[in-house]
Amino acid sequence: AQSVTQLGSHVSVSEGALVLLRCNYSSSVPPYLFWYVQYPNQGLQLLLKYTSAATLVKGINGFEAEFKKSETSFHLTKPSAHMSDAAEYFCAVSDRSNYQLIWGAGTKLIIKP
Amino acid sequence: GAGVSQTPSNKVTEKGKYVELRCDPISGHTALYWYRQSLGQGPEFLIYFQGTGAADDSGLPNDRFFAVRPEGSVSTLKIQRTERGDSAVYLCASSTSGARHNEQFFGPGTRLTVL
Repeated sequence: AQSVTQLGSHVSVSEGALVLLRCNYSSSVPPYLFWYVQYPNQGLQLLLKYTSAATLVKGINGFEAEFKKSETSFHLTKPSAHMSDAAEYFCAVSDRSNYQLIWGAGTKLIIKP
Repeated sequence: GAGVSQTPSNKVTEKGKYVELRCDPISGHTALYWYRQSLGQGPEFLIYFQGTGAADDSGLPNDRFFAVRPEGSVSTLKIQRTERGDSAVYLCASSTSGARHNEQFFGPGTRLTVL
């Protein structure tokens, strides 16, 4: 069965520092991969997605992610953290054989001033 | 434009009671999904509708859970004989079609508490 692992339930970075949120998936075939963000008291919002085009995907708010098949990873990065990036981030995978999104447990990003 | 809305935002009920949770998707979206999110976890798939029919209900945990979408728009998730373990945030999402790479647009959720 598909699974998604997000390393670190909480990640803390200083404002202006690099943000790296890790996501690994298990799949026998390349899936579709997504990163969603959930700001406090708001619904989940799509940051970016991988659908088998370019392996480096750019999203909103300066975030990007790179699909690495050999590592079964889809890590999310941002060069310089901003206070407004504080939120919970979820990685999700859609197996090409069904309609379900399988989600990681989420990583809460904390930005230190 | 209007996003996905869910009502109520909070629901407190007693063990054994029946509850209904409502989802209004974005107008024109044919695909609708229900998820359940427990504290500290990611969303868990429950059911997917394409139009009026449930195309995949494999995520419903047991026969106490049922969902309908009679006119292909609004959907209702129904839970019978609620149990304390049903307490969670229930999320609804919609997308333009059921294509697996499509973005899903989420509502704010309904927080269900079973006492």
